[in-house]
Amino acid sequence: GAGVSQSPSNKVTEKGKDVELRCDPISGHTALYWYRQRLGQGLEFLIYFQGNSAPDKSGLPSDRFSAERTGESVSTLTIQRTQQEDSAVYLCASSSYLGSDTQYFGPGTRLTVL
Amino acid sequence: LAKTTQPISMDSYEGQEVNITCSHNNIATNDYITWYQQFPSQGPRFIIQGYKTKVTNEVASLFIPADRKSSTLSLPRVSLSDTAVYYCLVGAMDSSYKLIFGSGTRLLVRP
Repeated sequence: GAGVSQSPSNKVTEKGKDVELRCDPISGHTALYWYRQRLGQGLEFLIYFQGNSAPDKSGLPSDRFSAERTGESVSTLTIQRTQQEDSAVYLCASSSYLGSDTQYFGPGTRLTVL
Repeated sequence: LAKTTQPISMDSYEGQEVNITCSHNNIATNDYITWYQQFPSQGPRFIIQGYKTKVTNEVASLFIPADRKSSTLSLPRVSLSDTAVYYCLVGAMDSSYKLIFGSGTRLLVRP
């Protein structure tokens, strides 16, 4: 596609529910990244994929967070038993290869946990 | 990754040149300096990257002194649409996948 797309654009959920966020990277980009941005703050790195492999999961905030990627395409970030502190914008980015100087970001998914 | 320090906010007027300085005293030999721009409700967008001296593209210029402990992003003749948050990042090319964003500089361009 022309750019990185994410869905849904907005998600409101109740505390304790599970949510799944989707990212469609730019076609042909082998590397994919997830970030979280709380209101008024900078981005917090969560996880990256090289192909469908995620070698470093240390950025995930807790074991309620998980992510997977199918081949070199779609990725999903799943948050189980959501808490109010999970409310944030979740941004996905992709790059042509891992370590590329430019990451292309999607518009993000705004998650609100009531 | 080297820690960066930027002003929290800056104000300017249309048509002026804006210079945003970032301090990175602990920059390592193989670190590059990269700037991203973020508009409200959008993901960050790459602006410019450099290693030393001066880099210029169609959007901005990046000035890096010889000691590389700081860098200045220069936006010529800003317009209202340049109102955004600007992030300075420092890191090695081989580890830049793990971008560490600070709080950035909120630039407000007034008419």
